[in-house]
Amino acid sequence: AQSVTQLDSHVSVSEGTPVLLRCNYSSSYSPSLFWYVQHPNKGLQLLLKYTSAATLVKGINGFEAEFNKSQTSFHLRKPSVHISDTAEYFCAVSPGGSQGNLIFGKGTKLSVKP
Amino acid sequence: DAGITQSPRHKVTETGTPVTLRCHQTENHRYMYWYRQDPGHGLRLIHYSYGVKDTDKGEVSDGYSVSRSKTEDFLLTLESATSSQTSVYFCAISDGTVTSTDTQYFGPGTRLTVL
Repeated sequence: AQSVTQLDSHVSVSEGTPVLLRCNYSSSYSPSLFWYVQHPNKGLQLLLKYTSAATLVKGINGFEAEFNKSQTSFHLRKPSVHISDTAEYFCAVSPGGSQGNLIFGKGTKLSVKP
Repeated sequence: DAGITQSPRHKVTETGTPVTLRCHQTENHRYMYWYRQDPGHGLRLIHYSYGVKDTDKGEVSDGYSVSRSKTEDFLLTLESATSSQTSVYFCAISDGTVTSTDTQYFGPGTRLTVL
């Protein structure tokens, strides 16, 4: 069965510093992996996705994630965060097959302090 | 942003009443999904549709039904709402054939409170 574990429920950093949001997955297939961001009272916006091409994936707003098959991880990072990055971040895996739904982690709330 | 709207955006109802949430898309995408979001649980799939009149259950389908009579509309019905169904409901769509590389695009959500 597929699953996603986000290792930190809350992360707090200062503006201008780097951030790492950790995600581990399990999948019986060659997975597709996604990171979504949700700002307060908003829907989910796609940040980036991995689809078995390059292991380092670049997304919007300066975010990037690295797929590591041996460690079954897909960590999200940004070299220098901004106040506007304060949001909740969700890692998700696509189990493939005919269903096409996503399995989500429980989310990591990122707070960026001035 | 993908052309997805959800209605209503907010609703307060009483236990035992029926409730229908609507998802409308203008992208002509084949696949549509209903998720619920609860604190500490992330998003969980309720039902999904892979075409007009073609639907299937997700992880947390008990107490919910869906219908899709047109490509653009996907309805979620709570036949008799319970307090445990208080949640934020998100609709999502994806294009083309369903493969593990399909990206899902999400609507703005509906906040439902069952008193």
